[in-house]
Amino acid sequence: QQPVQSPQAVILREGEDAVINCSSSKALYSVHWYRQKHGEAPIFLMILLKGGEQKGHDKISASFNEKKQQSSLYLTASQLSYSGTYFCGSSTDKLIFGTGTRLQVFP
Amino acid sequence: DAGVIQSPRHEVTEMGQEVTLRCKPISGHNSLFWYRQTMMRGLELLIYFNNNVPIDDSGMPEDRFSAKMPNASFSTLKIQPSEPRDSAVYFCASSSGGRDEQYFGPGTRLTVT
Repeated sequence: QQPVQSPQAVILREGEDAVINCSSSKALYSVHWYRQKHGEAPIFLMILLKGGEQKGHDKISASFNEKKQQSSLYLTASQLSYSGTYFCGSSTDKLIFGTGTRLQVFP
Repeated sequence: DAGVIQSPRHEVTEMGQEVTLRCKPISGHNSLFWYRQTMMRGLELLIYFNNNVPIDDSGMPEDRFSAKMPNASFSTLKIQPSEPRDSAVYFCASSSGGRDEQYFGPGTRLTVT
């Protein structure tokens, strides 16, 4: 089953924060996050391997609630370069990508 | 490293023709994945290989689709015969393990008229 992401789309001004949620109906082994800019390939952001884990680099971080089968991606003080579509990937025996969240950051 | 290499980058063909997409994974990676991306269906996993062996092909839509990985540095995805509904961007990705981070190639944009 494909993970469901919410919201489907987000519009931000530079400097604002956003949260993208990823929910799976199946138990998760790990969660991946990727960003894809228009016309380009998805780029790996981070992977969370176990429940309770939190990771981050720069001003993008993520958490993984294994029991709830959910993960959230946090974008703090957004920059223009953050614009793109964000995908979570749920990994059990293989990686299944979520429905995607389109993020647009304006000056 | 050059990253994952795909060819061609664009392919336009007529319905009924055979299409072959090619992928060279990152050296040392032993898992390779083929994805299809469309607006309607998002990013779908078609098939993945581990150590050149197909592990899961449940995402391959029909018998018209086939994939091979004859060695660790080359894979092909073939569509025969092609149909207009096959129009999509096809990505190849590789990783050092089936559950590790994946590195995507630039994709092949296929248009079937």
